Amino acid sequence: DQQVKQNSPSLSVQEGRISILNCDYTNSMFDYFLWYKKYPAEGPTFLISISSIKDKNEDGRFTVFLNKSAKHLSLHIVPSQPGDSAVYFCAASAGNFGNEKLTFGTGTRLTIIP
Amino acid sequence: NAGVTQTPKFRILKIGQSMTLQCTQDMNHNYMYWYRQDPGMGLKLIYYSVGAGITDKGEVPNGYNVSRSTTEDFPLRLELAAPSQTSVYFCASSYSSVVSGNTIYFGEGSWLTVV
Repeated sequence: DQQVKQNSPSLSVQEGRISILNCDYTNSMFDYFLWYKKYPAEGPTFLISISSIKDKNEDGRFTVFLNKSAKHLSLHIVPSQPGDSAVYFCAASAGNFGNEKLTFGTGTRLTIIP
Repeated sequence: NAGVTQTPKFRILKIGQSMTLQCTQDMNHNYMYWYRQDPGMGLKLIYYSVGAGITDKGEVPNGYNVSRSTTEDFPLRLELAAPSQTSVYFCASSYSSVVSGNTIYFGEGSWLTVV
């Protein structure tokens, strides 16, 4: 049972345009969400997070939006740069319900076209 | 600052062999984790530890064992390797719970093939 779903395995975006990566979840107890970025042959690195008490969190070119009623979150990258080409994982946790462990999605491979 | 270091980076095992993946962190983090990532899949938690002497099962613990005798080290033991354990293994650490705003830092991964 995939509780965190990233339905787009890959996405290509022109340099300078906006990249939008989507993530859906099924577990209503998830209350903390994170995005990780992974380059080939490296471990994932933390990008940005959002708590369920917020609907938006921004950090430079990266913004995460959370729609709790739709159980959906998205990561916006603007403007997209060639160095953003990587695999992006969405992850969720039910920390306030005693389960702090992260559940990861399957990832979306983002390719920025120069 | 080395961060999270895991060895070996690559290993080929025969079915039934045993091995230990080593993981050490130099950030004085309390929490440590082992994840595996199969092709086209997300990371799945194998075992985790919230401090020296304390370990707990994650989502996919079968076929693995861990120990946490020191804050720095969190080795993962594979007993009787099976082809289903062919995967990329990531060790990770964090100061405290991720939902408290603590970041999880990952190692570079260990590629394990069981033939």
